[in-house]
Amino acid sequence: KQEVTQIPAALSVPEGENLVLNCSFTDSAIYNLQWFRQDPGKGLTSLLLIQSSQREQTSGRLNASLDKSSGRSTLYIAASQPGDSATYLCAVTDGNNRLAFGKGNQVVVIP
Amino acid sequence: DGGITQSPKYLFRKEGQNVTLSCEQNLNHDAMYWYRQDPGQGLRLIYYSQIVNDFQKGDIAEGYSVSREKKESFPLTVTSAQKNPTAFYLCASSIAGPPSEQYFGPGTRLTVT
Repeated sequence: KQEVTQIPAALSVPEGENLVLNCSFTDSAIYNLQWFRQDPGKGLTSLLLIQSSQREQTSGRLNASLDKSSGRSTLYIAASQPGDSATYLCAVTDGNNRLAFGKGNQVVVIP
Repeated sequence: DGGITQSPKYLFRKEGQNVTLSCEQNLNHDAMYWYRQDPGQGLRLIYYSQIVNDFQKGDIAEGYSVSREKKESFPLTVTSAQKNPTAFYLCASSIAGPPSEQYFGPGTRLTVT
């Protein structure tokens, strides 16, 4: 069974610093990997989707890398802002489009 | 405006009662999903449907039931057999075929006392 782990579980950074969030998964037979953002009490917003054949994806200040063979992905958020405070979830997709989620990285950006 | 709607946002029920959570999408997606989220836990898949009139159990289907009579609707019933139903429930949809991006609704918080 696929296990997804996100480290650290929680972190606080001063505004302007770069954020580095890590995700690892046990089964490398994935089709893609998604990073989501979740605000308290809200649904999930998709940030980036990386296909298994890709090494990275970028959107604005966000960059996500994927090392499928070692079972790792990293989400980088450049020049963090207080509005980036949220929980970030990593999820990997199997062949039936079933997602396996990590427990999330809870981020606080301090003004 | 295309998207997924879930209603109601908050739902309160007494123990022993069945309750149905609504999920509607106008994205013309064939596949729909139900997840459950508990504090400090990742999302867990309850049921999913790749096409109308067909659905499969996810990892935690016991105590839940679904139907998929229309492409745009995928209601979830939480039955009295579900031992710990209080949770945040999220519905998602995607195109069918090769694994693709899933889009999520705003969620329903169910409290059973």
